Amino acid sequence: DVKVTQSSRYLVKRTGEKVFLECVQDMDHENMFWYRQDPGLGLRLIYFSYDVKMKEKGDIPEGYSVSREKKERFSLILESASTNQTSMYLCASSNGRRRTEAFFGQGTRLTVV
Amino acid sequence: GNSVTQMEGPVTLSEEAFLTINCTYTATGYPSLFWYVQYPGEGLQLLLKATKADDKGSNKGFEATYRKETTSFHLEKGSVQVSDSAVYFCALSEMNYGGATNKLIFGTGTLLAVQP
Repeated sequence: DVKVTQSSRYLVKRTGEKVFLECVQDMDHENMFWYRQDPGLGLRLIYFSYDVKMKEKGDIPEGYSVSREKKERFSLILESASTNQTSMYLCASSNGRRRTEAFFGQGTRLTVV
Repeated sequence: GNSVTQMEGPVTLSEEAFLTINCTYTATGYPSLFWYVQYPGEGLQLLLKATKADDKGSNKGFEATYRKETTSFHLEKGSVQVSDSAVYFCALSEMNYGGATNKLIFGTGTLLAVQP
């Protein structure tokens, strides 16, 4: 069964902290994505990666960076967490060669205090 | 740019009622279309998909038909159950031919609440 695993379900961090959200997929997918989900705004794309060490900005990249050193792992980094980054973060992966669906992780609920 | 518009919720129905959640899209080319469902406290799961015009996706009693002439992909179910209560997202797959990425563009989601 396909699987996308996010390292934490819930996180509480302090303002100014550096925060790492980790995502691992076991499907050998080329594409990986980080989305942010907020009420009334749906899912907004933060960053995506279509290959190892390759990344592109999504719609709301400000305040975030990403790392993809291995094909199966895609990390989202909040360089200096702020309260407006309190949100649900969703990781996803998809096959890069076809217009197939994306598979999602369970999500990480991040609270910045 | 490409976009997805879906009806705002919440949608509240009684068990066994008929469900329609409207979704329209704006896209260049021929995107694939998807409906995802999110149950409370969980991530998104694919509910159904359609990859070309006039395709009908179906799963668990839900159906949606890819209508290119009206740029729509409305979700329907003939008889909803309490267990269908969730948030439903319409999405399109945007193909970047240069990079071969297939970004998903999502609507804002529609909360469905089914009462016994």
